[in-house]
Amino acid sequence: DTAVSQTPKYLVTQMGNDKSIKCEQNLGHDTMYWYKQDSKKFLKIMFSYNNKELIINETVPNRFSPKSPDKAHLNLHINSLELGDSAVYFCASSQGNSGANVLTFGAGSRLTVL
Amino acid sequence: TQLLEQSPQFLSIQEGENLTVYCNSSSVFSSLQWYRQEPGEGPVLLVTVVTGGEVKKLKRLTFQFGDARKDSSLHITAAQTGDTGLYLCAGAQGSNYQLIWGAGTKLIIKP
Repeated sequence: DTAVSQTPKYLVTQMGNDKSIKCEQNLGHDTMYWYKQDSKKFLKIMFSYNNKELIINETVPNRFSPKSPDKAHLNLHINSLELGDSAVYFCASSQGNSGANVLTFGAGSRLTVL
Repeated sequence: TQLLEQSPQFLSIQEGENLTVYCNSSSVFSSLQWYRQEPGEGPVLLVTVVTGGEVKKLKRLTFQFGDARKDSSLHITAAQTGDTGLYLCAGAQGSNYQLIWGAGTKLIIKP
């Protein structure tokens, strides 16, 4: 059983389109995250939810909207896609929302905007 | 400003050699985590170090947390091709919700 699963793994789309990435974790964790990894492999936090409540909201364009329907799911919707949105997006989860908590990552969703 | 500097950024060595990669900061961390990321996958935790001066071993991998809790190193003995990957360090500071991430060391072990 995959602990943190995200779909789709690959997404190729045109500029201006809207797309969503879904994430589910079966670890019973109470905190979930979205990270963006750029071409230089730097991991940047975008959002974090603890028990469905938004606790981290980094400087991200408001074209990005996360939604957490329950503790086990965190989805990411992106409107009006731009070339610079091309990256690998990782979902992660942890038990507890302290920065010291260990993260379990999904396999990533590679978004390519043409 | 990069709070956690990892060096080298890139390292390519032959199988069987030893290597050390570093994670340095001018800031103090309450704990530090090391992750390895393989191509097409997400980062996977290797170890967490908490106490200044702490040394942890994971088979051929030895992790050390600096006495002042500002830096850490990862030493690999007799590297194998399976050690190839991106090694990331991430530090926690007090009650801050966020982990501070380094930019990673890309390691290639050639057969």
